[in-house]
Amino acid sequence: DQQVKQNSPSLSVQEGRISILNCDYTNSMFDYFLWYKKYPAEGPTFLISISSIKDKNEDGRFTVFLNKSAKHLSLHIVPSQPGDSAVYFCAASGRSTNAGKSTFGDGTTLTVKP
Amino acid sequence: DTAVSQTPKYLVTQMGNDKSIKCEQNLGHDTMYWYKQDSKKFLKIMFSYNNKELIINETVPNRFSPKSPDKAHLNLHINSLELGDSAVYFCASSQGLAGDYEQYFGPGTRLTVT
Repeated sequence: DQQVKQNSPSLSVQEGRISILNCDYTNSMFDYFLWYKKYPAEGPTFLISISSIKDKNEDGRFTVFLNKSAKHLSLHIVPSQPGDSAVYFCAASGRSTNAGKSTFGDGTTLTVKP
Repeated sequence: DTAVSQTPKYLVTQMGNDKSIKCEQNLGHDTMYWYKQDSKKFLKIMFSYNNKELIINETVPNRFSPKSPDKAHLNLHINSLELGDSAVYFCASSQGLAGDYEQYFGPGTRLTVT
């Protein structure tokens, strides 16, 4: 039972354009969501997060949108840069439950072409 | 100065052997984790420890035994290795147990069982 899903295994965009990565979840107890970025041969690094009390959080070129009714979140990268090419994981957790456990999606590989 | 380090980075061994992977964090975090990333790239939590106490044990076979000698270290020992144990294992740490703390990951240990 995969509670967090990233249905697009890969995404390719042109440098300077917008990248939109999507994530769906099924567990209504999730109330905190995080995006991680992973380069080859490295561990994931935290990128941006959002609490369920918000529907948008922005940090520079990165914006995460949360639609609780649809149990859907997305990460927007504008403008996309070649250095953004990596695997992006979304993760979900329940702040008051699950003892810190984050459930990860299976990742979307983003390629930004110069 | 590496925040979360793992050794070894690569581990090739034969079925039936026993091996250990070490993890250390210098962030002063209270919580540490082990994740397994299989061939499908799915990051699945195995264990979490908080202040040296086991918090999460996600139906991992008994052959896997984590050990936390202190807050800064969480080692993973695997007995009687099987082919299906081949994967990349990531150690991570976070400030606390709450689901809204981002996790800091080590570079991963690629285990190959032949």
